[in-house]
Amino acid sequence: GAVVSQHPSRVICKSGTSVKIECRSLDFQATTMFWYRQFPKKSLMLMATSNEGSKATYEQGVEKDKFLINHASLTLSTLTVTSAHPEDSSFYICSARDGGQPQHFGDGTRLSIL
Amino acid sequence: RKEVEQDPGPFNVPEGATVAFNCTYSNSASQSFFWYRQDCRKEPKLLMSVYSSGNEDGRFTAQLNRASQYISLLIRDSKLSDSATYLCVVNVNTGFQKLVFGTGTRLLVSP
Repeated sequence: GAVVSQHPSRVICKSGTSVKIECRSLDFQATTMFWYRQFPKKSLMLMATSNEGSKATYEQGVEKDKFLINHASLTLSTLTVTSAHPEDSSFYICSARDGGQPQHFGDGTRLSIL
Repeated sequence: RKEVEQDPGPFNVPEGATVAFNCTYSNSASQSFFWYRQDCRKEPKLLMSVYSSGNEDGRFTAQLNRASQYISLLIRDSKLSDSATYLCVVNVNTGFQKLVFGTGTRLLVSP
């Protein structure tokens, strides 16, 4: 079945650091990738949608300068949390799909900012 | 009002019990519907799609009522391994398609 790899799975770093998370589709071409954030006991919230080669479309309330998304190839998208602060600590999950096919989720990245 | 609403639970049931989860959605333009399962600190995994005609996959039965904007999931003969959070998910087309997740219903199956 379709596999989406997300790396790293766990990050702990100091406040002010920028953190990059990678999302790769391993056996299919991901024309669209999604980035979600999930706080404890809350639902997954879509942050942004990115189509390969285009600028990401951000959901309302998500700062595009804070959460930089790059989708430069059909198999890789990156999310960079710039100058991260403790309130950015969360579970970040990517998903990918090829055209109208179902989304496949990565394993998630648990980000902890001290 | 949340776009997708679920009872957060937890539902505590013994092994072998039958348990039902409900979900309502507010966007009448919702196009497709799913139940996902999420284990603690893991990514969500697709459990099954939901169709108006109702569909069954082993011990799991899903129903959709478009008129009432209501979705259900029935689990029969619960197993310990069914303990997880069940997410009601709606695919909405707002110019492009996106998934909207409910907060999930937590199920605890005990021996």
